[in-house]
Amino acid sequence: SQQGEEDPQALSIQEGENATMNCSYKTSINNLQWYRQNSGRGLVHLILIRSNEREKHSGRLRVTLDTSKKSSSLLITASRAADTASYFCATDADYGQNFVFGPGTRLSVLP
Amino acid sequence: EPEVTQTPSHQVTQMGQEVILRCVPISNHLYFYWYRQILGQKVEFLVSFYNNEISEKSEIFDDQFSVERPDGSNFTLKIRSTKLEDSAMYFCASSEGWQGISEQYFGPGTRLTVT
Repeated sequence: SQQGEEDPQALSIQEGENATMNCSYKTSINNLQWYRQNSGRGLVHLILIRSNEREKHSGRLRVTLDTSKKSSSLLITASRAADTASYFCATDADYGQNFVFGPGTRLSVLP
Repeated sequence: EPEVTQTPSHQVTQMGQEVILRCVPISNHLYFYWYRQILGQKVEFLVSFYNNEISEKSEIFDDQFSVERPDGSNFTLKIRSTKLEDSAMYFCASSEGWQGISEQYFGPGTRLTVT
């Protein structure tokens, strides 16, 4: 079983709508990070949320963390076509430095 | 804004050849990492490096792989004898502090194609 799992695997919305992606993990963590990857490109860091934080905002992004449920969500408000990308959550397992990525959610924002 | 850079952007090599992938981490960062992403699959951790030694490595990082920080700026990943299955995007990352507290910043990647 995997440490980080995002759902849905793919999400298609209209421009202006909100997009919500979820991430679940299995072990205790120090932090959880969300990244964006445009097709064939590198990873762009979006937000880091620490295990003692519940919510964090950055521009149109809102991340929540529920350590009791071992889950996190990424909300993109007022989506734009440029938000089309894959979104990954990544966790550092509490016991070591191994940084584990989930398989990602492919978001398509249609104009 | 400082960024992680990687060279080359694309490397084509024949099976059995050695390749060296190069990275220049952000200058004040102390922790360095390599990841790979096989086409269409998720990003996989390979190795972390701190204080001139490997901190942790995954099962993927076998004896064919090695890392080095040959000078104060470069961080390299060497694959001694490439296999077809080594074809992937390789990402370098760096962080200011231990990943339990710090963001990791990724380079744009090197696409390795083994023929």
